[in-house]
Amino acid sequence: NAGVTQTPKFQVLKTGQSMTLQCAQDMNHEYMSWYRQDPGMGLRLIHYSVGAGITDQGEVPNGYNVSRSTTEDFPLRLLSAAPSQTSVYFCASSILEGSNSPLHFGNGTRLTVT
Amino acid sequence: AQKITQTQPGMFVQEKEAVTLDCTYDTSDPSYGLFWYKQPSSGEMIFLIYQGSYDQQNATEGRYSLNFQKARKSANLVISASQLGDSAMYFCAMRELGGSYIPTFGRGTSLIVHP
Repeated sequence: NAGVTQTPKFQVLKTGQSMTLQCAQDMNHEYMSWYRQDPGMGLRLIHYSVGAGITDQGEVPNGYNVSRSTTEDFPLRLLSAAPSQTSVYFCASSILEGSNSPLHFGNGTRLTVT
Repeated sequence: AQKITQTQPGMFVQEKEAVTLDCTYDTSDPSYGLFWYKQPSSGEMIFLIYQGSYDQQNATEGRYSLNFQKARKSANLVISASQLGDSAMYFCAMRELGGSYIPTFGRGTSLIVHP
């Protein structure tokens, strides 16, 4: 089983460039989300989705866009990269109903903005 | 206010000894789930253990157990017989059933196991 597939693993951008981080899951999970991880800050939610066509903002949404056209895919777009967006990004998915559903994580993307 | 608090930024333990990683949480929802995840130096996030708010017994998964004290709103992870491979970041998280189902994470505890 592929689980959650996240690409790329590493990316270096110049300030002002745009890019899309890809995330796909093959578990038919309704819930998908993007987190960024910075030292000492834990995991902070950027955007999330509870189903195709439905997205919402998390704790740190500024500078990022998402869309959910299918159940499987949840790409994260950086519109104009800034050094403050240097971070490790994780995509995660889960069953929506029930509080006992753990998140399934992708392997992460290490992004550096120079 | 933080919903999940992990007060130990770093912990050290001798190999083969037990260690407790602290987690306290804040919620008014009677139905919630508590999770622990492990992040080794390779970076992936690994689900370890789950405890439901209505579970009568503490959860256990192999060498991992969860010391759940509902009245004190704490969900401490206990690792018995520590191994070198247990060296990692550990994150506590909560999911509220009555809310938006969005998991909330603590800031993590770095555990180093000494030989």
